[in-house]
Amino acid sequence: DADVTQTPRNRITKTGKRIMLECSQTKGHDRMYWYRQDPGLGLRLIYYSFDVKDINKGEISDGYSVSRQAQAKFSLSLESAIPNQTALYFCATSPGATSGKYEQYFGPGTRLTVT
Amino acid sequence: DQQVKQNSPSLSVQEGRISILNCDYTNSMFDYFLWYKKYPAEGPTFLISISSIKDKNEDGRFTVFLNKSAKHLSLHIVPSQPGDSAVYFCAASARGSARQLTFGSGTQLTVLP
Repeated sequence: DADVTQTPRNRITKTGKRIMLECSQTKGHDRMYWYRQDPGLGLRLIYYSFDVKDINKGEISDGYSVSRQAQAKFSLSLESAIPNQTALYFCATSPGATSGKYEQYFGPGTRLTVT
Repeated sequence: DQQVKQNSPSLSVQEGRISILNCDYTNSMFDYFLWYKKYPAEGPTFLISISSIKDKNEDGRFTVFLNKSAKHLSLHIVPSQPGDSAVYFCAASARGSARQLTFGSGTQLTVLP
């Protein structure tokens, strides 16, 4: 069973619609992240959360919001989708910094197309 | 302004030979570096990491080298196998940055049989 799951895996939506992408993890990690990947640009951080009450903006948070419903669940919302939000979206988790390891573990991704 | 750069978008190597993937960084606060591998329709998978207190870390066929003075790291894969064909991302993390990862743009490695 996958440790980090994302739903949906693919989504096509229209400009102006609200959409939510969901992420769940069974790794028991405190930290969760949302990234987007665009061709030629690598992965860019949208939001991250160190626990249920700790939410932080990343490099490209405009147009997005998040909710950390529980330690294991972190959702990303596009309140009013626009075509330049068409991208691959990845959720990731990591253990706390006290572990001394900073690797992040990624879900399989959601391909979002905004028409 | 990209703080982590992978200047080669693609690399082709013959099976059995060495693959060398390169990465440069500009932020001197980076002290931990990682390589990820990504297959199509999958998320990135952690491969290997290195702390700035080391200049080499090895794990099986994969070795990462860090040259702090040149702000350069490289991933060596020996011997290369067709299953290694994927996109490889380098990433870096800085102390005091909440340990966010900054990614390069990736290099597509193709290992030819």
